[in-house]
Amino acid sequence: EVQLVESGGGLVQPGGSLRLSCAASGFTLSNHWMHWVRQAPGKGLVWVSRINHDGSSTTYADSVKGRFTISRDNAKNTLYLQMDSLRAEDTAVYYCTRVSSGYNDYWGQGTLVTVSS
Amino acid sequence: EVVMTQSPAILSVSPGERATLSCRASQSVSTNLAWYQQKPGQAPRLLIFGASSRATGIPARFSGSGSGTEFTLTISSLQSEDFAVYYCHQYNNWPPLTFGGGTKVEIK
Repeated sequence: EVQLVESGGGLVQPGGSLRLSCAASGFTLSNHWMHWVRQAPGKGLVWVSRINHDGSSTTYADSVKGRFTISRDNAKNTLYLQMDSLRAEDTAVYYCTRVSSGYNDYWGQGTLVTVSS
Repeated sequence: EVVMTQSPAILSVSPGERATLSCRASQSVSTNLAWYQQKPGQAPRLLIFGASSRATGIPARFSGSGSGTEFTLTISSLQSEDFAVYYCHQYNNWPPLTFGGGTKVEIK
């Protein structure tokens, strides 16, 4: 059974940092691109970042470029999102998703990040 | 950026009735279009990919159609568990990947 389990969310002050993790099981992580998608409270889904199979290529939404870093450790079956210089508008549930043929076929349960003083 | 517009924002339907949800892309996305269902407090669940292919385990009452810029998700006979928010998502032209704003299907 495919499972994605995010962790690392919490309350952080503006300007602070957090590192999210996504533990993958039930499939071979190195066979898939992965994405992070976020959802602000009561709002819709917004794509944040993607990483290719081996981590050699990454892409970011303009809103997080230069502040967030996506990475992966296939040996540990884990995806990461390092979030620096956090802003109030980064407050959201962050989902890691598995990509198959371009679309997101499996999603984790999400981890809540709250940026507030 | 490809803008995805969903209509209506809220759809009130009685159980057993048919629901038709629309999604329009600001430019052609071919058939690289997915639909997701999200219930309160839960992660999105993939329903349809490639505009018309049902994901594993998705009941046959869910069907998708369209290509280019106009897409439709149809739920042939609404069950109680189908009341949720539905999002369309294009994965043809990126970055960025983009989602529609969602259609909430509520009980009439």
